[in-house]
Amino acid sequence: GAVVSQHPSWVICKSGTSVKIECRSLDFQATTMFWYRQFPKQSLMLMATSNEGSKATYEQGVEKDKFLINHASLTLSTLTVTSAHPEDSSFYICSARWTSGRGNIQYFGAGTRLSVL
Amino acid sequence: SQQGEEDPQALSIQEGENATMNCSYKTSINNLQWYRQNSGRGLVHLILIRSNEREKHSGRLRVTLDTSKKSSSLLITASRAADTASYFCATDGTGANSKLTFGKGITLSVRP
Repeated sequence: GAVVSQHPSWVICKSGTSVKIECRSLDFQATTMFWYRQFPKQSLMLMATSNEGSKATYEQGVEKDKFLINHASLTLSTLTVTSAHPEDSSFYICSARWTSGRGNIQYFGAGTRLSVL
Repeated sequence: SQQGEEDPQALSIQEGENATMNCSYKTSINNLQWYRQNSGRGLVHLILIRSNEREKHSGRLRVTLDTSKKSSSLLITASRAADTASYFCATDGTGANSKLTFGKGITLSVRP
């Protein structure tokens, strides 16, 4: 399958700082990427859809000023958690959508574990 | 909201046994997919079955789809300890810009 690289894999930061997470599709161009949040032993919660060259589409309840998304190229989307607080601690996962003849498949990064002290 | 609902929520089997996981959904779909997630990692795409297909195979995996019952099953044959993971079904809707909707997942433990 295709490769999506997510960096960093884990980050620890102080409350009030901002953290940027990068998501790169390494072997295909992705006009659409997705950002998810996952709490322990739970499913993925879609935060936003990142569209290359346009504004991201946020899910209900997700603060767009808190979670800034930039998708400046066909291979890179970034999520910036601004002024992070302990409640933002979570596992964040990105995916890139690849359209095949059979349907849309999402290839996932390995995730970023964010711990806010 | 979650569309896919998997059952059981947790499954523990002995190595060599078969594991069957089920998924139900509510709305029309273009395709249904199964993903695996190892602890603390991202998801890995396993298999996709289109709405006009009834069964797909990939190695030790067998997926069935019953659109009349809005359900799918994932069978892992001759399970191995390395199959221990969480498994998610995800449905892809019929719109051009549809996005996957994931179920809550099934935790599979394969005892060596």
